[in-house]
Amino acid sequence: TQLLEQSPQFLSIQEGENLTVYCNSSSVFSSLQWYRQEPGEGPVLLVTVVTGGEVKKLKRLTFQFGDARKDSSLHITAAQPGDTGLYLCAAPPGVEGSRLTFGEGTQLTVNP
Amino acid sequence: NAGVTQTPKFQVLKTGQSMTLQCAQDMNHNSMYWYRQDPGMGLRLIYYSASEGTTDKGEVPNGYNVSRLNKREFSLRLESAAPSQTSVYFCAGETGVAETQYFGPGTRLLVL
Repeated sequence: TQLLEQSPQFLSIQEGENLTVYCNSSSVFSSLQWYRQEPGEGPVLLVTVVTGGEVKKLKRLTFQFGDARKDSSLHITAAQPGDTGLYLCAAPPGVEGSRLTFGEGTQLTVNP
Repeated sequence: NAGVTQTPKFQVLKTGQSMTLQCAQDMNHNSMYWYRQDPGMGLRLIYYSASEGTTDKGEVPNGYNVSRLNKREFSLRLESAAPSQTSVYFCAGETGVAETQYFGPGTRLLVL
């Protein structure tokens, strides 16, 4: 059983469309990170959210941390082909000193 | 700064052969990690090193060994490669526990 469940697993959309991907868990986290992995590269951190209800914006990307700190969403407005990649959420389990655990990711393809 | 570097980029092995994957970082990270990434499985932690001279097993350590040679370098060894070890391997560094991880570009390994 995955600690972090991401949905959808795959998403293929046209340029200009909006989309939302989700990261859910039954556990409470002190913080949650979102990474993007482009083809042939390692993941790169996009954002870290730490406060329940927090919303962070990064250009056309909006990240939200759930009020109960158990879930998060990533919304992309007017998607571009450059947004194509694997989006991973990651969080440390509740036990102090625990390492990050990663979700399985959402593979996004934005078609021109 | 080069960040996190990995060698080799690609490798083909025959079943039973051995090899060492190299990872080096110049970001003064205390912790270093080895992950494998398989389709639909996300990133799975093989081994990690919280500091120079220490190593610990992750989620999938069987068939692998690691060495934290110094603060900069963390190597992963396959003593007798198996087809099930065909994967993309990522090394990552992290300054503090559950903080941002910085990934290398990956090593793509095919075991025939």
